[in-house]
Amino acid sequence: ETGVTQSPTHLIKTRGQQVTLRCSSQSGHNTVSWYQQALGQGPQFIFQYYREEENGRGNFPPRFSGLQFPNYSSELNVNALELDDSALYLCASSSGGGPYTEAFFGQGTRLTVV
Amino acid sequence: DQQVKQNSPSLSVQEGRISILNCDYTNSMFDYFLWYKKYPAEGPTFLISISSIKDKNEDGRFTVFLNKSAKHLSLHIVPSQPGDSAVYFCAASMNSGYSTLTFGKGTMLLVSP
Repeated sequence: ETGVTQSPTHLIKTRGQQVTLRCSSQSGHNTVSWYQQALGQGPQFIFQYYREEENGRGNFPPRFSGLQFPNYSSELNVNALELDDSALYLCASSSGGGPYTEAFFGQGTRLTVV
Repeated sequence: DQQVKQNSPSLSVQEGRISILNCDYTNSMFDYFLWYKKYPAEGPTFLISISSIKDKNEDGRFTVFLNKSAKHLSLHIVPSQPGDSAVYFCAASMNSGYSTLTFGKGTMLLVSP
């Protein structure tokens, strides 16, 4: 059974650029959630995809968008990068889109915006 | 407005003693609580959870206690081991139709030999 994998592990971008982060969910999981963890903070919920549809979103602007593919892998896209977007981006997969399922996290992508 | 609060940024404990990590929440709609452990350069790993219909859940060395009236939960690790040194996140969930987790800022636990 493969776990949740994210790519790339580290990334440096310039303010104003666009970035795409990728996540492969754990085998058998159909739900992917994305979280942003700023330095010294806990992870903050960005959005969730269940069976290729967005079914929940946190307090993030529309320049944060995502996709989920038929194999349940997912992408997080961020447009017009700002310095405050520098953070660890975590992907979590789970089985089912309900509120009480255990989420398994990937190792994260460290994004630095300069 | 932080709905899940971990007021101790760090905790130091000697090997073999009990570690107690605390968490408070403000949203009474939360009805499921989880603890995650995070090592550097790794993603958070699920440790233990508790539903709001219970006041205690135990798994080996780890026990979570929930006091709903005080909106407080705690994680007890007995006995503590050096390998337990990590950042511990408290997280909460509610029946909103999808599985979002609201996290605290974390407590860094250091267990010294």
